Amino acid sequence: DTGVSQNPRHKITKRGQNVTFRCDPISEHNRLYWYRQTLGQGPEFLTYFQNEAQLEKSRLLSDRFSAERPKGSFSTLEIQRTEQGDSAMYLCASSPGRTSVQKLFFGSGTQLSVL
Amino acid sequence: DQQVKQNSPSLSVQEGRISILNCDYTNSMFDYFLWYKKYPAEGPTFLISISSIKDKNEDGRFTVFLNKSAKHLSLHIVPSQPGDSAVYFCAAGGSARQLTFGSGTQLTVLP
Repeated sequence: DTGVSQNPRHKITKRGQNVTFRCDPISEHNRLYWYRQTLGQGPEFLTYFQNEAQLEKSRLLSDRFSAERPKGSFSTLEIQRTEQGDSAMYLCASSPGRTSVQKLFFGSGTQLSVL
Repeated sequence: DQQVKQNSPSLSVQEGRISILNCDYTNSMFDYFLWYKKYPAEGPTFLISISSIKDKNEDGRFTVFLNKSAKHLSLHIVPSQPGDSAVYFCAAGGSARQLTFGSGTQLTVLP
């Protein structure tokens, strides 16, 4: 399977704990995106990478959130000191990055529940 | 400020009939529009797209119409099938290198 892979699929944590999610994009794609989706809403943009460079961050991405893509391949999204409001589906997507607007290929997401 | 709006949270259609899902946008800089379909516990999957230089794009049972003057697009599915039951998201892109999504419409196709 050469699609976008996300791990874990589900994460339950207690408030105040740190969590980290991983995304493996489609191998030839140089753009990688993180989105967040809550119930009844569409995916909301968090951040994106062009290769290893993080080029844009949404205002939704508070100081407790950090994303990395160290070698331009897989990416991690860490949330520190989780809050109940962080409970959501975290979606990763990738795209070839050849044009200015992209068709995104999404993974199945990581469902985070903060208790 | 919602730049992409889907005002109908849900739609029910009889199998074999036409499904019409609507989407409005406010940002005139958007020049590329997409529809995604999402099943529970899965990520969104791309369905069909349209560039602002066109007003219609067709792919099998799916047709997207774009009315730039009204800042409105719609997705037509005909004939609708029970397997089409899912949440449909409208998305828009432009010079920004990311997509902006609407809140989705839950389509239920009744057998």
